[in-house]
Amino acid sequence: SHVLTQPPSVSVAPGQTARITCGGNNIGLKYVHWYQQKPGQAPVLVVYDDSDRPSGIPERFSGSNSGTTATLTISRVEAGDEADYYCQVWDNNSDPLFGGGTKLSVL
Amino acid sequence: EVQLVQSGAEVKKPGESLKISCQTSGYSFTSNWIGWVRQMPGKGLEWMGVIYPGDSDTRYSPSFQGHVTISADKSISTAYLQWTSLKASDTATYYCARRAVWGVIITGYFDTWGQGTLVTVSS
Repeated sequence: SHVLTQPPSVSVAPGQTARITCGGNNIGLKYVHWYQQKPGQAPVLVVYDDSDRPSGIPERFSGSNSGTTATLTISRVEAGDEADYYCQVWDNNSDPLFGGGTKLSVL
Repeated sequence: EVQLVQSGAEVKKPGESLKISCQTSGYSFTSNWIGWVRQMPGKGLEWMGVIYPGDSDTRYSPSFQGHVTISADKSISTAYLQWTSLKASDTATYYCARRAVWGVIITGYFDTWGQGTLVTVSS
């Protein structure tokens, strides 16, 4: 079965850059989307189609996707970025699939 | 403004039935797929299934096929998720979410989410 692999946790100091990866077989051939979920809240879309940002999402959030790894990059990390982040793929030939999630801790 | 508002928290006993709702507004209900996502306590997101309210086409994850039913009522722009016999392992927060559409292009992501419905199943 298809699997999207994320690191369970990533830690970064405020002002630094956080990179959260999402691994999958030939994931570079699919569009990857990213969601942020803060405790007790619903997920929020932060990046779609590998690297586009919805309205209202800061430019500090960016994405890339190539080969077997997609990456969500958060620049100039702030305390408010502390959350769980999930990658997701969904194309016409498959069901939606979420990664296991990564807990971002801001030190 | 697009909004998905879900019904309130539920506490049920094993074997009981339940139907939770997702009331939408701010867009044409029949134009977008609506999905349901489970999040068990302390765990990640799991896709359960989707429905296209325009023609009620419904698809389920193999993990949930046969255990839940997804439906929609176009007249009140509301989607539903229901169980006929709950188990303790159904204890989770359930989210509805709208699959984004750009004109005639159906995207692969959920652009708007409901606030979640916590379902607790305990004897």
